[in-house]
Amino acid sequence: GESVGLHLPTLSVQEGDNSIINCAYSNSASDYFIWYKQESGKGPQFIIDIRSNMDKRQGQRVTVLLNKTVKHLSLQIAATQPGDSAVYFCAEDNTDKLIFGTGTRLQVFP
Amino acid sequence: DTEVTQTPKHLVMGMTNKKSLKCEQHMGHRAMYWYKQKAKKPPELMFVYSYEKLSINESVPSRFSPECPNSSLLNLHLHALQPEDSALYLCASSPRLGGSKSQYFGPGTRLLVL
Repeated sequence: GESVGLHLPTLSVQEGDNSIINCAYSNSASDYFIWYKQESGKGPQFIIDIRSNMDKRQGQRVTVLLNKTVKHLSLQIAATQPGDSAVYFCAEDNTDKLIFGTGTRLQVFP
Repeated sequence: DTEVTQTPKHLVMGMTNKKSLKCEQHMGHRAMYWYKQKAKKPPELMFVYSYEKLSINESVPSRFSPECPNSSLLNLHLHALQPEDSALYLCASSPRLGGSKSQYFGPGTRLLVL
């Protein structure tokens, strides 16, 4: 069951605004990073990925930025919509394993 | 077909029961994974299969027993579980291990151990 007192970091944004979700990763040798979206009661859904030889990659309404100097990853969502409400996880590829970040809950209000 | 399916969606079992979780993919992926996810936490890796052979076991208790009968199927056999094993169990697949390939997840089986 749920642990009392634990909560996910939460980002609340108004519909139509841009969202920025941040993630710090641990291993400077990681060379591949992924953002996943997990809606309530569902499995994680692939959003976008980036390799370490890039610092920016764009998809449809989403952009991932990678700063290897400070081991930081961010996900930008343009024109946030109610359907974007979910928990977002970053993950780093570490020797055949995915290491997930702690997650951020995105709440979109009208 | 670009999805990973898992059955059952929900499972309630007693501590003396034996049950199995099933996962299937038809994307031709040769790496398959089991994860455990507790509420408000990220997925935690349990097992990795590569070309139907167990590649990684993250020190999972023996009451969890994985099986990969063929390249499309992955099972997780459960026996003598504890209430703290209640969680969402996720299956994932990727084209192969390594090589910077994303993993694709199924919807999960929500397990409750009484």
